[in-house]
Amino acid sequence: ETGVTQTPRHLVMGMTNKKSLKCEQHLGHNAMYWYKQSAKKPLELMFVYSLEERVENNSVPSRFSPECPNSSHLFLHLHTLQPEDSALYLCASSQDWGYYEQYFGPGTRLTVT
Amino acid sequence: QQPVQSPQAVILREGEDAVINCSSSKALYSVHWYRQKHGEAPVFLMILLKGGEQMRHEKISVSFNEKKQQSSLYLTASQLSYSGTYFCGTEDGEGGSEKLVFGKGTKLTVNP
Repeated sequence: ETGVTQTPRHLVMGMTNKKSLKCEQHLGHNAMYWYKQSAKKPLELMFVYSLEERVENNSVPSRFSPECPNSSHLFLHLHTLQPEDSALYLCASSQDWGYYEQYFGPGTRLTVT
Repeated sequence: QQPVQSPQAVILREGEDAVINCSSSKALYSVHWYRQKHGEAPVFLMILLKGGEQMRHEKISVSFNEKKQQSSLYLTASQLSYSGTYFCGTEDGEGGSEKLVFGKGTKLTVNP
């Protein structure tokens, strides 16, 4: 498989559930990103990992917890979410952190009930 | 500093040209352009760095204005496949912040 993959593609969870989103890149990139995309809002950068170290955390609530075990995998652990957290969560990767083109995965459509 | 994109939406007939603007209150270090089709992931189009004035790929080009506070995306002789939402992502500061902030997007519809 090539490019950036994300699983699951769709997720419905209750506010008390715990779930995880997974992202995998097969491009040999060193940087990985989590974005949130809500209706009628711009892409919001949540987290950036460069060489498995978190380099950016955009004031994201603690109910979102990222994990980057290696440069190919990125997780977003979710717990006690709110309905306003419903959105498309996009993962991206780039050669390195900075002004490099980013390759996006297809996203996980999350609905919090 | 979130960039402001204009127009918010534009409808064209196939073969017509379009311009999408991306403005910031600060001088930009880099501007990244992406296109997202409905239900799909954003796809990279072009990056324009501070030292450059213009870049071109086939019928799509981007440029900076004189103060480097605005970038424009030019679509020439638009095709049906150009339909989608165009996002600019900007990085400001003299040396670049390495933090990309995206605009709200411009929805482009190309009709036959």
